[in-house]
Amino acid sequence: AQKITQTQPGMFVQEKEAVTLDCTYDTSDQSYGLFWYKQPSSGEMIFLIYQGSYDEQNATEGRYSLNFQKARKSANLVISASQLGDSAMYFCAMKRRFNKFYFGSGTKLNVKP
Amino acid sequence: DGGITQSPKYLFRKEGQNVTLSCEQNLNHDAMYWYRQDPGQGLRLIYYSQIVNDFQKGDIAEGYSVSREKKESFPLTVTSAQKNPTAFYLCASSIGGDNQPQHFGDGTRLSIL
Repeated sequence: AQKITQTQPGMFVQEKEAVTLDCTYDTSDQSYGLFWYKQPSSGEMIFLIYQGSYDEQNATEGRYSLNFQKARKSANLVISASQLGDSAMYFCAMKRRFNKFYFGSGTKLNVKP
Repeated sequence: DGGITQSPKYLFRKEGQNVTLSCEQNLNHDAMYWYRQDPGQGLRLIYYSQIVNDFQKGDIAEGYSVSREKKESFPLTVTSAQKNPTAFYLCASSIGGDNQPQHFGDGTRLSIL
């Protein structure tokens, strides 16, 4: 069963504008972690931001913030003031029991100058 | 500097040949993982290991084998039974705790000659 869903295969955003990348998840666990990774064309996976299932406040890391809506099981990534270097694939992931991770299919973001 | 080292960066396999991808970590992480990524696609789990001398099949284990004789090493063998091995292979490691992300190596690109 699909546990992480990213419904936007590709997105465009104008430089300096904000963009939201969607992620919904499915779990019956009470305790879990949600992560976003960036994968540039070179292939490495870069950890961006983390949200815990018990965290009441949305996580923020610089220009990245995570819009966490637990009742809707969504964990959207918001990138403010987009830069050309933000063009990449973005993956949402969930960590459950026994160190098991589940990844979404990814969203390819293109930032236009 | 702590991290994960994958080698080689590029690998070519002849028909009927087994090849082994190396993954070494000095992060003292208990869990290690192998993923396959096809062009423009997400990550698919091949094998993962929670502790030394123990590993579990992921979603696409057929045609692959692993060993975990040391905490820091988790080599992946792509056997001749894997008929379509051309892909990007990523190794990752993680420590326990919902808030701990996976750390990734830089990947190995495997191609058929």
